[in-house]
Amino acid sequence: GDSVTQMEGPVTLSEEAFLTINCTYTATGYPSLFWYVQYPGEGLQLLLKATKADDKGSNKGFEATYRKETTSFHLEKGSVQVSDSAVYFCALSDRPGGSYIPTFGRGTSLIVHP
Amino acid sequence: DTGVSQNPRHKITKRGQNVTFRCDPISEHNRLYWYRQTLGQGPEFLTYFQNEAQLEKSRLLSDRFSAERPKGSFSTLEIQRTEQGDSAMYLCASSFPGPNLQAFFGQGTRLTVV
Repeated sequence: GDSVTQMEGPVTLSEEAFLTINCTYTATGYPSLFWYVQYPGEGLQLLLKATKADDKGSNKGFEATYRKETTSFHLEKGSVQVSDSAVYFCALSDRPGGSYIPTFGRGTSLIVHP
Repeated sequence: DTGVSQNPRHKITKRGQNVTFRCDPISEHNRLYWYRQTLGQGPEFLTYFQNEAQLEKSRLLSDRFSAERPKGSFSTLEIQRTEQGDSAMYLCASSFPGPNLQAFFGQGTRLTVV
């Protein structure tokens, strides 16, 4: 079945450091890919998405490129801030059986120190 | 419309008791999902509705769990004869159908079974 694998956390960085969170996926179809973020005490919210190969999703300085050849969707940010501290979830939406049910990775916690 | 609303936010119950959670989705959304999230894990799919029809259930959803969505609006998730292993965050999300459309999440109901 479909699955998403993320790098284990926590990822601990100093402010203004470069961030990469790795995500790879397995899917039976041609999925859409998403990054969601969960700030402390809040629900998951969409950060960015990409719907076809080589698409780049971007938002709030974060970027991720849909790489079909490597089945990856790594999240990057050039300069993180303390306010980026949160848990980041990679997800896909595929259509086994026609459902398009979002499938999530286990999440990667990011801690940014001043 | 202020987003997906879940009630209660927290529930502590004794083992063996029944509990019911409510989710009010974004009103225009015809899809509604229930997920379970345990510490350090991503959301795990439980079940989803398209309008009032429950279209798919995960193997995680034992026969002690039942979900309804009367009239295709709000949904309830009931757990009968709760067990300590049911302790988790229960998340509700809603969306339009289709592969590219994001799911909007509520803040969840945290269940603790003592």
